[in-house]
Amino acid sequence: QVQLKQSGAELVRPGASVNLSCKTSGYIFTSYWIHWVKQRSGQGLEWIARIYPGTGSTYYNEKFKGKATLTADKSSSTAYMQLSSLKSEDSAVYFCAREFYGFDYWGQGTTLTVSS
Amino acid sequence: DILLTQSPAILSVSPGERVSFSCRASQSIGTSIHWYQQRTNGSPRLLIKYASESISGIPSRFSGSGSGTDFTLSINSVESEDIADYYCQQSNSWPWTFGGGTKLEIK
Repeated sequence: QVQLKQSGAELVRPGASVNLSCKTSGYIFTSYWIHWVKQRSGQGLEWIARIYPGTGSTYYNEKFKGKATLTADKSSSTAYMQLSSLKSEDSAVYFCAREFYGFDYWGQGTTLTVSS
Repeated sequence: DILLTQSPAILSVSPGERVSFSCRASQSIGTSIHWYQQRTNGSPRLLIKYASESISGIPSRFSGSGSGTDFTLSINSVESEDIADYYCQQSNSWPWTFGGGTKLEIK
């Protein structure tokens, strides 16, 4: 069965960077776009970017250019999102999701807390 | 960016009632709208794709309609397990955007 398993919660200092992972299984990793979505506590969903692991092609929301960088490792079927120059407003739950006529499978989310 | 406006912010209904969620787009998006359910502390779950197409494994009481700028998600007979936030999302134009969500409460 299709699964997206995300890395554990992170507590990082302001100004630092963090790498979040999304390990997939149960389907052909290189054939589907993987998206990343942000959700601040008690707030709605915000689309960050997407990557096509087959080619490495990416597309970013302008708002997150310079903040988020997506990569994918075909050998481990894992997608990554690096967030840089972290601020308190980056504290949120980050989801990865597979695109197939909508986002049909989601990871469980990674909670990122940016605090000194 | 395409703005999706969901209304109302909160819906309160009794079990067995029919409920409808509204999503309005700031410009025409055809039928490129998808609906998600998110329970407390959970991940979103795809309920309806392309405005009205059903998803395997989703109860038949969930249905969608609309095109252009006005869309509706309906639950035919609400059950207690339907307590959640509901979001619409458009895939017509970049960046893809979500509505602000509607919270469903059960009386």
